[in-house]
Amino acid sequence: DAGITQSPRYKITETGRQVTLMCHQTWSHSYMFWYRQDLGHGLRLIYYSAAADITDKGEVPDGYVVSRSKTENFPLTLESATRSQTSVYFCASSVSRANQPQHFGDGTRLSIL
Amino acid sequence: AQKITQTQPGMFVQEKEAVTLDCTYDTSDPSYGLFWYKQPSSGEMIFLIYQGSYDQQNATEGRYSLNFQKARKSANLVISASQLGDSAMYFCAMRVTGRGAQKLVFGQGTRLTINP
Repeated sequence: DAGITQSPRYKITETGRQVTLMCHQTWSHSYMFWYRQDLGHGLRLIYYSAAADITDKGEVPDGYVVSRSKTENFPLTLESATRSQTSVYFCASSVSRANQPQHFGDGTRLSIL
Repeated sequence: AQKITQTQPGMFVQEKEAVTLDCTYDTSDPSYGLFWYKQPSSGEMIFLIYQGSYDQQNATEGRYSLNFQKARKSANLVISASQLGDSAMYFCAMRVTGRGAQKLVFGQGTRLTINP
């Protein structure tokens, strides 16, 4: 029962570099989400996807790109990393029923120097 | 705009006491859902309890219950007989429907510390 896995768990990179965070779920959930967690802000939605090939912006999408060619994968790319993108990133997935919770991965701690 | 407010940045409680974590919400949508998550120091997000806006009774899950007061727009989490392992960050979240997806809007969280 792998559930939802994120990789890498930790990443250090430099400003201006491209970095991709991976998210893989084994439940065949239709919905997938990317959040970032910063002190004082709780979790904020970056992008989400209702199904393969359907993605949409969340609250803080600037500087990020997503794709979803397969139901089980939802990678998040920072095309040119900035220090303000230093954060903990969480991927989540859920079924389409409204009363069902989102299930979260363990997070990726990203530091941009 | 939908918003979740958690007014208690931190709380300290003696072991075995009950604790109430506050959550107020703002939405004009008559259909919504409220979730509570626990985030221990290890960092993972653990789902605790759910309350739907049309649910007639307050939700309960083991030691967790949700004090849902619709008119006040509050959805407080009550933990009975607190344990040391309850020390964690707690987030209240509201389901928001948009473009075919059930998104969540989170509050800023409350850090709960259980003292022995």
